[in-house]
Amino acid sequence: AQKVTQAQTEISVVEKEDVTLDCVYETRDTTYYLFWYKQPPSGELVFLIRRNSFDEQNEISGRYSWNFQKSTSSFNFTITASQVVDSAVYFCALRDSWGKLQFGAGTQVVVTP
Amino acid sequence: AAGVIQSPRHLIKEKRETATLKCYPIPRHDTVYWYQQGPGQDPQFLISFYEKMQSDKGSIPDRFSAQQFSDYHSELNMSSLELGDSALYFCASSRDRGQETQYFGPGTRLLVL
Repeated sequence: AQKVTQAQTEISVVEKEDVTLDCVYETRDTTYYLFWYKQPPSGELVFLIRRNSFDEQNEISGRYSWNFQKSTSSFNFTITASQVVDSAVYFCALRDSWGKLQFGAGTQVVVTP
Repeated sequence: AAGVIQSPRHLIKEKRETATLKCYPIPRHDTVYWYQQGPGQDPQFLISFYEKMQSDKGSIPDRFSAQQFSDYHSELNMSSLELGDSALYFCASSRDRGQETQYFGPGTRLLVL
């Protein structure tokens, strides 16, 4: 069975600080896909990034960056220079071979001015 | 760019009533997923359809049924509603269930009184 663990329930930062969200996953699949989604207070789920298991290159996209480490089954996500609009719940998710997403419990990020 | 459309956005029902939620996927997306998100919880997979056939089934109650139509839109039918069915229901769509990113609709917020 697949499992996604987000140990951090809530993270509070002051604007312009960096925020790193942890995600640890379990899967028996050799090929898999990992995602980060953002859920702002308005409720919608917004796709942020996706990573394939066969590509461990870490990248930066604007203020977002991610660190995928297959050896430790971790897929961490960083927001650089946080802004108030980054306040949301962030979900890490793992997709199985049938396509459905297994979400972590989510991490609430609170950015104060 | 076109997004996933869900209707209605809000729905209030009494116990034991029925409800129908509709989902219109992004054009050229052939796969639809339904998720249920209870208050303070992560989204839970209910059911998915690929090319109008049921693809996978999760923790969907027997009181619920769904289908995907020839135009790829999908409907989730919920009968004998219970208080515990109150939740945010998301539809997501993707191209090719095994490969592509799922994009979520804005959700339907169902309240059962």
